[in-house]
Amino acid sequence: GAVVSQHPSRVICKSGTSVKIECRSLDFQATTMFWYRQFPKQSLMLMATSNEGSKATYEQGVEKDKFLINHASLTLSTLTVTSAHPEDSSFYICSASWRGTHRETQYFGPGTRLLVL
Amino acid sequence: QQQVKQSPQSLIVQKGGISIINCAYENTAFDYFPWYQQFPGKGPALLIAIRPDVSEKKEGRFTISFNKSAKQFSLHIMDSQPGDSATYFCAASGRMGQFYFGTGTSLTVIP
Repeated sequence: GAVVSQHPSRVICKSGTSVKIECRSLDFQATTMFWYRQFPKQSLMLMATSNEGSKATYEQGVEKDKFLINHASLTLSTLTVTSAHPEDSSFYICSASWRGTHRETQYFGPGTRLLVL
Repeated sequence: QQQVKQSPQSLIVQKGGISIINCAYENTAFDYFPWYQQFPGKGPALLIAIRPDVSEKKEGRFTISFNKSAKQFSLHIMDSQPGDSATYFCAASGRMGQFYFGTGTSLTVIP
C-alpha cells in the first residue's frame, strides 16, 4: 500500500521556538494532504487540508498564523508550529490522498510527538 | 462540534468473541465511512470502509453494517484475537475528502 512518512518522529523544544514537521508520500503523488492533531486517548481532530500549490484550508478554531502549512510539491507538505507553547504539545499526524479511483482513501503517516517545555 | 459520535469508549472482549463498535453521524452529505485501527504511538491504519449504497461489507473477520436511514454504522470483529487489542476509530468523509473521526474505542481482547 501507499506509504507516508513523517519527520521527525519526536521533537522536544523550548517555549517560544518554532518547529517544522515534514510529511512525505513516498510512492505516490499526493494531490491532497491533511493535518490532524491528537491528544492522549482522544480522537484525531482535523486541523487543515492542503492541496499542492494552493493555500491550506483550515478548520474552524485552528489559527492559520500559528500553524503554517506549506504543500510545495506533490510529495511533501510541512506543518510549522510557530512560537510553540506547552499547550501545543500533542501528537501531530498527517495523511495523504490522490485524485484517483479511490479518492477518499487517506494514508496516514506514523505521527510526530511534539513536547514543548 | 463532534460530527461523528462513537460508542463505547472502551470494550473488553474474550478471545473468540465478537467486538461491536457503533457510530452515528448527522451530516447527510457524508458519503464514505472508513474504520481505522491505531496502536499506541502509531498513525491510524485503514481497516475497512463502506459507501452508503450498500448495507453491509465484509472483509475477513471485519464487517461493517450501515443503516442509511438511521445514519448509523457499526464495526463487527468476529473471532476477536488479543492482537486486535487497539483503538478503533470510525470516520466519515464528505465531498471535499476531509475525514471527521469518532472519539475512538479502546478494545482489549482477553486471552
